[in-house]
Amino acid sequence: GQNIDQPTEMTATEGAIVQINCTYQTSGFNGLFWYQQHAGEAPTFLSYNVLDGLEEKGRFSSFLSRSKGYSYLLLKELQMKDSASYLCAVREHNFNKFYFGSGTKLNVKP
Amino acid sequence: DVKVTQSSRYLVKRTGEKVFLECVQDMDHENMFWYRQDPGLGLRLIYFSYDVKMKEKGDIPEGYSVSREKKERFSLILESASTNQTSMYLCASSLDRWIQPQHFGDGTRLSIL
Repeated sequence: GQNIDQPTEMTATEGAIVQINCTYQTSGFNGLFWYQQHAGEAPTFLSYNVLDGLEEKGRFSSFLSRSKGYSYLLLKELQMKDSASYLCAVREHNFNKFYFGSGTKLNVKP
Repeated sequence: DVKVTQSSRYLVKRTGEKVFLECVQDMDHENMFWYRQDPGLGLRLIYFSYDVKMKEKGDIPEGYSVSREKKERFSLILESASTNQTSMYLCASSLDRWIQPQHFGDGTRLSIL
């Protein structure tokens, strides 16, 4: 299996920038994925990283360092609708298995 | 757009009952997954399947079984429901290709009394 750590909860202000960190230990890394999950809803895919570096997608960016077992999700120009849980997931090399962190609950305040 | 449909949003069953949770996807995905989601524990993989009639145990398969008779349908079975199986159950599917994300259903909130 995998060991994936994320902060439990974060609070940020509307319009600001927030960075959600994820660290992992893996026996066979094949990609890191970020999902957003609003309360009572299904997780929805945000972004993925396979190689080191930054991937940008509009207001969302995700960074990966494989040597450090570290990733972060950067959310810019925060909006109230960004209040949700953000899940970090590592894909294993074999069998397409995904291992999820426990999620970071982001509270965006006015 | 990918659609993963779970048969029930809310379900209440009694201890000892045999419970079936159904999941259907409409995008011809090879891989299908069952997770349970509990506060503070995140999503934990119960079983997954990479082809019809093929299945692999995840991290917490005890007390569960699965069935994949058709490519689009993946069923989770609680053989004899217990109160510690009260949870949110999420089904997901993905293509069997490199760097393909999982697509999730809306979840079934199962309560075992």
